[in-house]
Amino acid sequence: EPEVTQTPSHQVTQMGQEVILRCVPISNHLYFYWYRQILGQKVEFLVSFYNNEISEKSEIFDDQFSVERPDGSNFTLKIRSTKLEDSAMYFCASSDRQGNQPQHFGDGTRLSIL
Amino acid sequence: DQQVKQNSPSLSVQEGRISILNCDYTNSMFDYFLWYKKYPAEGPTFLISISSIKDKNEDGRFTVFLNKSAKHLSLHIVPSQPGDSAVYFCAAERIQGAQKLVFGQGTRLTINP
Repeated sequence: EPEVTQTPSHQVTQMGQEVILRCVPISNHLYFYWYRQILGQKVEFLVSFYNNEISEKSEIFDDQFSVERPDGSNFTLKIRSTKLEDSAMYFCASSDRQGNQPQHFGDGTRLSIL
Repeated sequence: DQQVKQNSPSLSVQEGRISILNCDYTNSMFDYFLWYKKYPAEGPTFLISISSIKDKNEDGRFTVFLNKSAKHLSLHIVPSQPGDSAVYFCAAERIQGAQKLVFGQGTRLTINP
């Protein structure tokens, strides 16, 4: 069964450094998402992406965050200057069309900011 | 953000019995609801969903019930198996929009042999 893959599985970064989290969505999917889960908290929506542009973003997704689909397969989340509070599990998801379709998630990247 | 709530952080059920997980929501604009299962060190895995035009959807051992007037949904697993032990998340979204999922806090289900 096709799946969403995320790399790396664990990223350790010094505060203030830039980090790029990578995702390969399911190949025929058109809608892409990033979520995060801080330890002990809910899974929170960050951003959705369709047709090479952001569809919606949460208040968490400030100017330090950006997303890109640099080629036909990858979908990336960049954090420009990481903060301690960015430490979390980051999940990528994709779906094949709008409405009544589940999002399928990758196994996540654990981001640890030191 | 308390739009989706799972009030039971944990549930323990004997193998072979029925597991019932509950979820409440406050936003009447939600019209698509999903249940995800999550094992440690893995991402959420889609289990079953229901549209607001239905009140029940069944897939094998899993059934989701939706009570729109009460803004309540539940997931029934019968019979429960040891492999069902995981954290279960309820999620909701508005179909008209960018499919932003709003998650509950999760319920840890333990199936005892």
